[in-house]
Amino acid sequence: AQSVAQPEDQVNVAEGNPLTVKCTYSVSGNPYLFWYVQYPNRGLQFLLKYITGDNLVKGSYGFEAEFNKSQTSFHLKKPSALVSDSALYFCASRTTNAGKSTFGDGTTLTVKP
Amino acid sequence: DAGVIQSPRHEVTEMGQEVTLRCKPISGHDYLFWYRQTMMRGLELLIYFNNNVPIDDSGMPEDRFSAKMPNASFSTLKIQPSEPRDSAVYFCASSSRQVGELFFGEGSRLTVL
Repeated sequence: AQSVAQPEDQVNVAEGNPLTVKCTYSVSGNPYLFWYVQYPNRGLQFLLKYITGDNLVKGSYGFEAEFNKSQTSFHLKKPSALVSDSALYFCASRTTNAGKSTFGDGTTLTVKP
Repeated sequence: DAGVIQSPRHEVTEMGQEVTLRCKPISGHDYLFWYRQTMMRGLELLIYFNNNVPIDDSGMPEDRFSAKMPNASFSTLKIQPSEPRDSAVYFCASSSRQVGELFFGEGSRLTVL
């Protein structure tokens, strides 16, 4: 069975500082990993994905994530946080490129000016 | 493309009434998902379709919930009779094997009084 863990319910950072939102996964086989962002009263929006290849994946709005197979992690990062990055972030996994995804519980990111 | 379109955006109804939520997926996508989001339970997958056929409905809470996809461009989620505990935001999402990531609609916020 698949599982995705986001160990932090909340992450607080100051504007301009680097941010990291953590995600670990448990998947049998090769994982397909995704990050989504949800702004208040909106649907989830895709940020980036890892399918295969380079372990460092770059996505929308300056976000990137590093796939680490040995640590079964896929942490979301950004070098310099913006107040507008404040939102709810979800990590998700699949075992194929289609079908059912397993989502983490989400991490609320707050960036303070 | 206009993205995934859901209606209504907001619905307030009384306990016992029938509720129908609608979704138009992105053209060309062959997967459609219905999710429910609440503060208590987070994001839950209710059911998903592939090529208009229900593949996994194990997340449907009970017989009061039903979902249909009569064609590739339309799906409904029906609750009959509705109960206050059904109050949540219901999201529709679509994807394809070629794209991989999910595209979410803006959600339908249901309040059952």
